[in-house]
Amino acid sequence: GQNIDQPTEMTATEGAIVQINCTYQTSGFNGLFWYQQHAGEAPTFLSYNVLDGLEEKGRFSSFLSRSKGYSYLLLKELQMKDSASYLCAVPNYGGSQGNLIFGKGTKLSVKP
Amino acid sequence: ETGVTQTPRHLVMGMTNKKSLKCEQHLGHNAMYWYKQSAKKPLELMFVYNFKEQTENNSVPSRFSPECPNSSHLFLHLHTLQPEDSALYLCASSQDGRGSTDTQYFGPGTRLTVL
Repeated sequence: GQNIDQPTEMTATEGAIVQINCTYQTSGFNGLFWYQQHAGEAPTFLSYNVLDGLEEKGRFSSFLSRSKGYSYLLLKELQMKDSASYLCAVPNYGGSQGNLIFGKGTKLSVKP
Repeated sequence: ETGVTQTPRHLVMGMTNKKSLKCEQHLGHNAMYWYKQSAKKPLELMFVYNFKEQTENNSVPSRFSPECPNSSHLFLHLHTLQPEDSALYLCASSQDGRGSTDTQYFGPGTRLTVL
């Protein structure tokens, strides 16, 4: 079977750094996505990792360790607008095209 | 604005009603998807269309009926729904569905309440 785990909620302070973890168990591996979803809005693409290591994109970075089945999203210099849910997703390896398996999402609250 | 629009944004319907959700993408993509998002549950894939052909039906009850007349439009026809079908229904599109690593772009969703 395939499974994705993320913390349900996290709280951090404006200006700080926060790390959102995601662990996955899949029968194969074809990369990992991170999406951001503000309340009542569409999920928006943040990153896609298929190789081990850290990929930086401005204030957001995403890390992957395939051997550990582990990824994290690192948010620096937090802003109030970063309050959102962060969704981790992996393609359903061996499943039909386009089938992404999502975690339940981590709701991040940024406090002043 | 992701280039994927959905209407209506909110819908309240009785269990005996028939309604349709509409999705349109302006990205020139060839694959379109319907997802269901319930409170405290992961996004669940419902249907996938690739080049107008349905390529995935994720064990969805027949009271949900998708239609894809062309690569830019996707509908979800609803009839005799149950209260537990109340959820946010999200549409997404990607360049093509041949590879599961395509980035998917989501619409804002339709918030459905079944009374």
